[in-house]
Amino acid sequence: KAGVTQTPRYLIKTRGQQVTLSCSPISGHRSVSWYQQTPGQGLQFLFEYFSETQRNKGNFPGRFSGRQFSNSRSEMNVSTLELGDSALYLCASSLGVDRGVILFGPGTRLTVL
Amino acid sequence: GIQVEQSPPDLILQEGANSTLRCNFSDSVNNLQWFHQNPWGQLINLFYIPSGTKQNGRLSATTVATERYSLLYISSSQTTDSGVYFCAVGGSQAGTALIFGKGTTLSVSS
Repeated sequence: KAGVTQTPRYLIKTRGQQVTLSCSPISGHRSVSWYQQTPGQGLQFLFEYFSETQRNKGNFPGRFSGRQFSNSRSEMNVSTLELGDSALYLCASSLGVDRGVILFGPGTRLTVL
Repeated sequence: GIQVEQSPPDLILQEGANSTLRCNFSDSVNNLQWFHQNPWGQLINLFYIPSGTKQNGRLSATTVATERYSLLYISSSQTTDSGVYFCAVGGSQAGTALIFGKGTTLSVSS
């Protein structure tokens, strides 16, 4: 069974631009969540989707948004990029909300110049 | 919100040594997972263990939910065990939203 896939793996953007990251969960998994990892703040929860509905949202500004499609694939978007948005963005999938093992993708490393 | 504290922050071992990593959390949880992050950033799920004890090869974990802590044991450590170990917890209202500790950085030398 293929793992969680994320594209692109690396991305360089400039301040003010916007970016879209994509995540394909493990086949059969319906819950997708996103995390941001930075050296200063560690791993922080962004949001979670289940059956195309946002179920939970972390403490991030409205510039961070996401969505989930009917095939469970998910995208997250960051608008008006700031230098502080440089981070490793990790997507995770699980069978359902609060359902056991959570498996992470390899991440997208975003650099904002 | 729930606070997660991991100790020690750093651990240096010789190959073959055993170690115990600790995770304390400040409130009741219904979701606790241990992860290993390799040097390339990939987070590998080691255990889903909201309570009880599990073993997987040289690794084992125990969570005592009533006392709000979990332990990860690594026996006969190998250089490939190096990396950062994270404990992450979720409360009953959290869905799959996990709160991560700051991690324990393990360095195993040959």
